[in-house]
Amino acid sequence: QKEVEQDPGPLSVPEGAIVSLNCTYSNSAFQYFMWYRQYSRKGPELLMYTYSSGNKEDGRFTAQVDKSSKYISLFIRDSQPSDSATYLCAMMGGSEKLVFGKGTKLTVNP
Amino acid sequence: EPEVTQTPSHQVTQMGQEVILRCVPISNHLYFYWYRQILGQKVEFLVSFYNNEISEKSEIFDDQFSVERPDGSNFTLKIRSTKLEDSAMYFCASSETSRLATQYFGPGTRLTVL
Repeated sequence: QKEVEQDPGPLSVPEGAIVSLNCTYSNSAFQYFMWYRQYSRKGPELLMYTYSSGNKEDGRFTAQVDKSSKYISLFIRDSQPSDSATYLCAMMGGSEKLVFGKGTKLTVNP
Repeated sequence: EPEVTQTPSHQVTQMGQEVILRCVPISNHLYFYWYRQILGQKVEFLVSFYNNEISEKSEIFDDQFSVERPDGSNFTLKIRSTKLEDSAMYFCASSETSRLATQYFGPGTRLTVL
């Protein structure tokens, strides 16, 4: 089983839709969970950072962590064409390295 | 807003040549990292660096790789004898005061080995 699994998509939605992005993981040591956004040929840009289980909201973005199911989600409300990018989940725990998912490519169509 | 910068943005080299990739981390950050992303694949951890020494490295980071903080601002990754499979985007990252703090990434250097 891979340490972090993420459906690569691609995912295409109309403008204004609610987007749900998900990752599963196998390593129980993970305690810190992040979502990064990556535009083509650019560096990952941090969107959300969550410690342990629970929800965190920032504007149109909501991150959820369910440690009992080893499942994390990112929701984007009122999606915009500018949200079109690849979204990477990343996790950390027990060491300082980030372990990334493969990324989900999202396109929001006007 | 402070950001991590990297140079060059694109480096083309011949197989067997040495390359040095440069990074300027955010100024008050103490932990530094290199990651790489082969085209179409995951971002992978290479190495972390704190207090002028390597604190953790992956199995990818073999003897052909080295890192250095030659002065108070730069952080470098050297690949001694490049291979075709070293072609990738290399990202530098830094974090503030704790190894568990948020890591901020630079824009990357695209390395092409011919």
